[in-house]
Amino acid sequence: SQTIHQWPATLVQPVGSPLSLECTVEGTSNPNLYWYRQAAGRGLQLLFYSVGIGQISSEVPQNLSASRPQDRQFILSSKKLLLSDSGFYLCAWSVLGMGSTDTQYFGPGTRLTVL
Amino acid sequence: AQTVTQSQPEMSVQEAETVTLSCTYDTSESNYYLFWYKQPPSRQMILVIRQEAYKQQNATENRFSVNFQKAAKSFSLKISDSQLGDTAMYFCALAFGNTGKLIFGQGTTLQVKP
Repeated sequence: SQTIHQWPATLVQPVGSPLSLECTVEGTSNPNLYWYRQAAGRGLQLLFYSVGIGQISSEVPQNLSASRPQDRQFILSSKKLLLSDSGFYLCAWSVLGMGSTDTQYFGPGTRLTVL
Repeated sequence: AQTVTQSQPEMSVQEAETVTLSCTYDTSESNYYLFWYKQPPSRQMILVIRQEAYKQQNATENRFSVNFQKAAKSFSLKISDSQLGDTAMYFCALAFGNTGKLIFGQGTTLQVKP
C-alpha cells in the first residue's frame, strides 16, 4: 500500500532563516506530487506541483521554491523565511490515468511558525 | 477561472441525525472531478467521497452521499446517521486536467453534538 511521509511535523523558525520541508511517498512509482499551504481556518492553496523528476510548476508567486530530486521525494524550501510563510503545509500525491485526473492523498502535514 | 464556494462556515447536527453540506463550483472544463475531504482536529486531510463529472449517478460511500447537479454546478454532501467522529472541517474540491490540481473551497466546520 502507498504511504506518504512529511517531516518535520512541527517547526518554529526565526524570520530570515532558511527552510527545508521534505515529503516522500512509498509504494508507488512516478506519482504527481503537490505542495499546499493552509492558513488558520482556511482552505488549501496549491503552491507547487510536479509531474516528474526535476519538473516543477509554481502556482503563486512567493518566497518559496520546490524541488524533486528523486521520483518519490518532494522538497519545499526557502532561503529567507518571512512572517507570512507561517502556516500548515501539506504534501499530496496522485497517480493519473490516461488523460484523466485522479484522487490526491495527503500527508500528515508540517506546522510552520515563523517568529 | 475555476472556483469553489462553500457558503456555510459552520454547521451543527445532533448525533444520529442527517446533515447536508453545500458546495457550488464554477469551471469551463468539460472533464472534471469533484471531491469532499474531511479534516479532523489532527489536520490530516482524509478523502470522503469523489464524483466524476461525466457520471450522472450520485456517488455513495457508506453513510456519505452526494447530490451532484451538473447544470446548476452544485455538489452537496449528505451525512446520514451522524457520529461524533464526523466532527471535522469539510472541504469541497474541484480537479481537472492532466495535472490533477485541486481547487478548494473555504471549508465548513461541522460539529456533531451528543
